[in-house]
Amino acid sequence: DAGVTQSPTHLIKTRGQHVTLRCSPISGHKSVSWYQQVLGQGPQFIFQYYEKEERGRGNFPDRFSARQFPNYSSELNVNALLLGDSALYLCASSLAGTRNIQYFGAGTRLSVL
Amino acid sequence: GENVEQHPSTLSVQEGDSAVIKCTYSDSASNYFPWYKQELGKGPQLIIDIRSNVGEKKDQRIAVTLNKTAKHFSLHITETQPEDSAVYFCAASRAGGTSYGKLTFGQGTILTVHP
Repeated sequence: DAGVTQSPTHLIKTRGQHVTLRCSPISGHKSVSWYQQVLGQGPQFIFQYYEKEERGRGNFPDRFSARQFPNYSSELNVNALLLGDSALYLCASSLAGTRNIQYFGAGTRLSVL
Repeated sequence: GENVEQHPSTLSVQEGDSAVIKCTYSDSASNYFPWYKQELGKGPQLIIDIRSNVGEKKDQRIAVTLNKTAKHFSLHITETQPEDSAVYFCAASRAGGTSYGKLTFGQGTILTVHP
């Protein structure tokens, strides 16, 4: 069975640009969460979506947005990129929003120059 | 909000020894505590989890203990093997309210098992 898949695996952008990251959850999972992992630190929660609705938001600026599609895949968008946005962006899926058991993809490595 | 502290930041053991990693959390409403293993270039992999209605859980060489009163939980790995070398993260979560599904992670422990 396919796990959580994320694309692209690596991305290089320049300051001020916009980026879109994509995530496909495990088949049957309806909840998707996004995390940012800066090198040497634990992942930090950005968003959670369940049944296409935003159910949780972390302490990130409005430059970060996300959405979930009818097939439960998700996109994370980041506008006006800053150098500090360079990180590994992780997507996690879970069977239902409140069960909390989250399975992570391999992530997208974003470098902002 | 929730805050999770993890210690030690690095841990070096000989193959066959035991390894213990400890975490404390601040939100007494947290009720779910997973542990993840992250290898280089990969996403975090769930290795064991525990809920607040259980004090201990074991899966082969891995065990987790939870002390709700003291608000701390620990990961125990016995008979360590070189393939256990990785970064380990603890996390805490609670369902409902504004923390719907949010995992708060510790800072990570780099475990090195020497052959």
